[in-house]
Amino acid sequence: QVQLVQSGSELKKPGASVKVSCKASGYTFTRYAINWVRQAPGQGLEWMGWINTNSGISTYAQGFTGRIVFSLDTSVSTAYLQISSLKAEDTAMYYCARDTAQHDYWGQGTLVTVSS
Amino acid sequence: QTVVTQEPSLTVSPRGTVTLTCASSTGAVTTGHYPMWFQQKPGQAPRALIYGTSDKHSWTPARFSGSLLGGKAALTLSAVRPEDEADYYCLLYFGGAWVFGGGTKLTVL
Repeated sequence: QVQLVQSGSELKKPGASVKVSCKASGYTFTRYAINWVRQAPGQGLEWMGWINTNSGISTYAQGFTGRIVFSLDTSVSTAYLQISSLKAEDTAMYYCARDTAQHDYWGQGTLVTVSS
Repeated sequence: QTVVTQEPSLTVSPRGTVTLTCASSTGAVTTGHYPMWFQQKPGQAPRALIYGTSDKHSWTPARFSGSLLGGKAALTLSAVRPEDEADYYCLLYFGGAWVFGGGTKLTVL
């Protein structure tokens, strides 16, 4: 069965970096893109962008350029979200979701908390 | 900046029918926006319900249906059950980028 399993919660200080992983199983990883979605506490969903798992090319949503980078390790069917120069407002749940056309399967989410 | 607007909250009675809508600040929503709908319950990841305006995933209950209505994307829930109480989000495509609506909190009362 298709599964996306994300890495565990992170507590970081302002200015630090974080790397969230999303490990896929149950399908051919390079056949479907991976999207990243942010949800701040008590707020709605925000689409951050996606990465083509075949070419490695990323597309970032407006407002999510500059401090975020999507990457892949296809040898272990894993996508990564790295956020640098963390700020308090980056505190949120981050989700990965498969397939840009359907966003069908989602990871369980990774809570990133930024606090001094 | 494109804005996608949903009703902030709606209330429906059990066994009733309710329609949630999803509007675009750029004009009428069309099939070219490939509307999707998601359900999210407290403490859970979103669950995909509808894609491509009206296509259902294998796990989507039959009582959920997607359509275009009056220039908006719409999600209709028929024969509503208490377990349908949740937040619902639409997602629209705008030429290379996707934008979520602000979400609708559906109360079953």
